[in-house]
Amino acid sequence: GAGVSQSPRYKVTKRGQDVALRCDPISGHVSLYWYRQALGQGPEFLTYFNYEAQQDKSGLPNDRFSAERPEGSISTLTIQRTEQRDSAMYRCASSVLTGKDGYTFGSGTRLTVV
Amino acid sequence: RKEVEQDPGPFNVPEGATVAFNCTYSNSASQSFFWYRQDCRKEPKLLMSVYSSGNEDGRFTAQLNRASQYISLLIRDSKLSDSATYLCVVRGYSSASKIIFGSGTRLSIRP
Repeated sequence: GAGVSQSPRYKVTKRGQDVALRCDPISGHVSLYWYRQALGQGPEFLTYFNYEAQQDKSGLPNDRFSAERPEGSISTLTIQRTEQRDSAMYRCASSVLTGKDGYTFGSGTRLTVV
Repeated sequence: RKEVEQDPGPFNVPEGATVAFNCTYSNSASQSFFWYRQDCRKEPKLLMSVYSSGNEDGRFTAQLNRASQYISLLIRDSKLSDSATYLCVVRGYSSASKIIFGSGTRLSIRP
């Protein structure tokens, strides 16, 4: 697509439920990144992929968080058994492999766990 | 120590002033550097890449100091529309390296 698309834009879920956040990167962008951003803070790295391979997942807070990108395009970030502390803006970005042109972000998914 | 550090500000300067802020990084193997701009409740957007020799884009100048491991952003003749948070971004040496964002520096331009 023309830009990075994330869905849903807003998600309110009850504590303990699982949620799946979707990211559709710019066509041709082989690198895809997931970040979490709290108000007044910079984006906090979670994980990233080159093609379908997860290169680094060191930023995932715990084993309730997982991500996949099975066909090297759309990616899903899944949070199991959500907790209130998971509430944040979740941002996805994509780039060409070298990243030389920078990274393009989607509008994000605002997750609220109640 | 954080991998990428920025002065959070806020920097509050009058319109037309020149303002500069720095960002320090801890990994000496870092190879790619960028400045991003983020408006309130919006996604970060690329402002400019930072090249080894320094580079300019209109009123904006970016510099890289590898010896001291910092990058800087200078904004000349600041406009009200420059009010935003400026994020420093650092990446390692390969395509397998993650990209790290600083916490951002808030800039507010007053009339």
